[in-house]
Amino acid sequence: KNEVEQSPQNLTAQEGEFITINCSYSVGISALHWLQQHPGGGIVSLFMLSSGKKKHGRLIATINIQEKHSSLHITASHPRDSAVYICAVRDYGQNFVFGPGTRLSVLP
Amino acid sequence: DSGVTQTPKHLITATGQRVTLRCSPRSGDLSVYWYQQSLDQGLQFLIQYYNGEERAKGNILERFSAQQFPDLHSELNLSSLELGDSALYFCASTQGVTNTEAFFGQGTRLTVV
Repeated sequence: KNEVEQSPQNLTAQEGEFITINCSYSVGISALHWLQQHPGGGIVSLFMLSSGKKKHGRLIATINIQEKHSSLHITASHPRDSAVYICAVRDYGQNFVFGPGTRLSVLP
Repeated sequence: DSGVTQTPKHLITATGQRVTLRCSPRSGDLSVYWYQQSLDQGLQFLIQYYNGEERAKGNILERFSAQQFPDLHSELNLSSLELGDSALYFCASTQGVTNTEAFFGQGTRLTVV
């Protein structure tokens, strides 16, 4: 069993749809990061969470420490949101452990 | 622009050779992380440096080594290269060690032929 799992693996949505990507982890963590990897390969850090909820524009990230689960929501999705979204956790040794990623395609 | 600079962007080299990848962290960030992303493996943590000292080690091969210099830039050295070392190599920097935002470079795409 992987330490960090994501669902779904692949997701195709129509422009304007509300999207949810889930991440569950099995290790104790000091923080959880959501990353976005563009088709060209570049990685952008979207959120760092250790509790609660954060919002940047159309993106919302939540974490439930007790349930070891986090969600990334995209409201009013747009084709430019098409990317791979990666959940990464920092364990207490400060190592990053990455999920396998969710490939999102938003169709116009 | 994350503020993290990686050079070169692309590198093609032959098996058995040695290459050096360079990472300049964001201004003020003391910690540098190196990651490998191969087609079939996803992102794998290799090694972390904090203020010049090795802080954590992940799945880094013995053929690979890294260091962080007094000006905080870091280099990842890959030697005796094999075809399977072909991957994207990313570095990221954080200000501190715990619970701080991570900023990623654009990556170096290494192709071993």
